[in-house]
Amino acid sequence: DVKVTQSSRYLVKRTGEKVFLECVQDMDHENMFWYRQDPGLGLRLIYFSYDVKMKEKGDIPEGYSVSREKKERFSLILESASTNQTSMYLCASSSAGPNYGYTFGSGTRLTVV
Amino acid sequence: AQSVTQLDSQVPVFEEAPVELRCNYSSSVSVYLFWYVQYPNQGLQLLLKYLSGSTLVKGINGFEAEFNKSQTSFHLRKPSVHISDTAEYFCAVSGPNFNKFYFGSGTKLNVKP
Repeated sequence: DVKVTQSSRYLVKRTGEKVFLECVQDMDHENMFWYRQDPGLGLRLIYFSYDVKMKEKGDIPEGYSVSREKKERFSLILESASTNQTSMYLCASSSAGPNYGYTFGSGTRLTVV
Repeated sequence: AQSVTQLDSQVPVFEEAPVELRCNYSSSVSVYLFWYVQYPNQGLQLLLKYLSGSTLVKGINGFEAEFNKSQTSFHLRKPSVHISDTAEYFCAVSGPNFNKFYFGSGTKLNVKP
């Protein structure tokens, strides 16, 4: 089975800190995604990547950046964390082959205080 | 662009009763459709998907969904629910040449004894 691993389950950071959320997948998927999930708003796409060193903005990229130096790893960076970035962050990966669809990590619940 | 509407934010139901969770989508191109389930404090798991072929799709845990192109709907059904089905359910849509998914805002299914 495809595994998508997010490095932290819970994270508490202070306003203004630089925050790194790491995501690793083990099935050689080309595509990786970062979403945030908030009650009543569902999942909103922050950034995605179709290949190493490639990145595309999603629907809510403001305040975030990403890095994909290796195919299996996709990092989400909050340059200067703010309280409105308190949320659940979900990483996903996919390929366009027969198993089309996303595989999600377990999520990182980030609280910015 | 695609979008997804889940008409019910919460659905309460008694154990062993049937349930239908509604999902409507809009798209100017042919789409792929998915249902995901999220148990408390976990990531999302794929329940079922429609890529092509038969419009009635069977998934895990006894769930099924029917793709209705004329009504642009992909409603999820289960004939008899269990307490363990209590979770949040997300409908998602993706276009044929693009791996980017759009999610609905989610429906919380609460199964009561």
